[in-house]
Amino acid sequence: AQKVTQAQTEISVVEKEDVTLDCVYETRDTTYYLFWYKQPPSGELVFLIRRNSFDEQNEISGRYSWNFQKSTSSFNFTITASQVVDSAVYFCALSRDSSYKLIFGSGTRLLVRP
Amino acid sequence: DTEVTQTPKHLVMGMTNKKSLKCEQHMGHRAMYWYKQKAKKPPELMFVYSYEKLSINESVPSRFSPECPNSSLLNLHLHALQPEDSALYLCASSPSGLGNQPQHFGDGTRLSIL
Repeated sequence: AQKVTQAQTEISVVEKEDVTLDCVYETRDTTYYLFWYKQPPSGELVFLIRRNSFDEQNEISGRYSWNFQKSTSSFNFTITASQVVDSAVYFCALSRDSSYKLIFGSGTRLLVRP
Repeated sequence: DTEVTQTPKHLVMGMTNKKSLKCEQHMGHRAMYWYKQKAKKPPELMFVYSYEKLSINESVPSRFSPECPNSSLLNLHLHALQPEDSALYLCASSPSGLGNQPQHFGDGTRLSIL
């Protein structure tokens, strides 16, 4: 069975703090893909990153960074020097190689206070 | 601005009405999706079209009827909906539907059933 767990329901930080959003996944596939999406109050899901199961290299994009560790089945997302505009719900998701389906975690609501 | 356009952004309808949600993308994507999202929940997949053919129907009630007139357009026809159908309806597209491809989402239609 495939499953994604985001244990943090809500996180509240003060602007400029660093924050890490946790994502733990379960799959028996050897080939799979992990994604992070951001959903601001406007409703659109914004694609942030894709990582395939064979690439454990961490990635940094501006203030965003991702830590993929197969040994712990985790794909965590860190925002450095958070800003109010980072306030949103963040979803981690998993897909199989030949599947249309995205398996979403329950989401983490991030509130960045001025 | 999102590259997947959904109209209308808001829709209020009675249980006896017939209405349609529209989705359009011009990225040349050949897979298109409908999702339903209730408040504080992740999106739930409803339908997938691949190359204009219905590939997945996640046991959605027949009061929801999808249509894909061409590779750029996706409609969702609504008839005799129930109050529990009130939700955010998201459209998404991806190049061909393979699991390694990120899905690109629209802003959604916020539907309220009276």
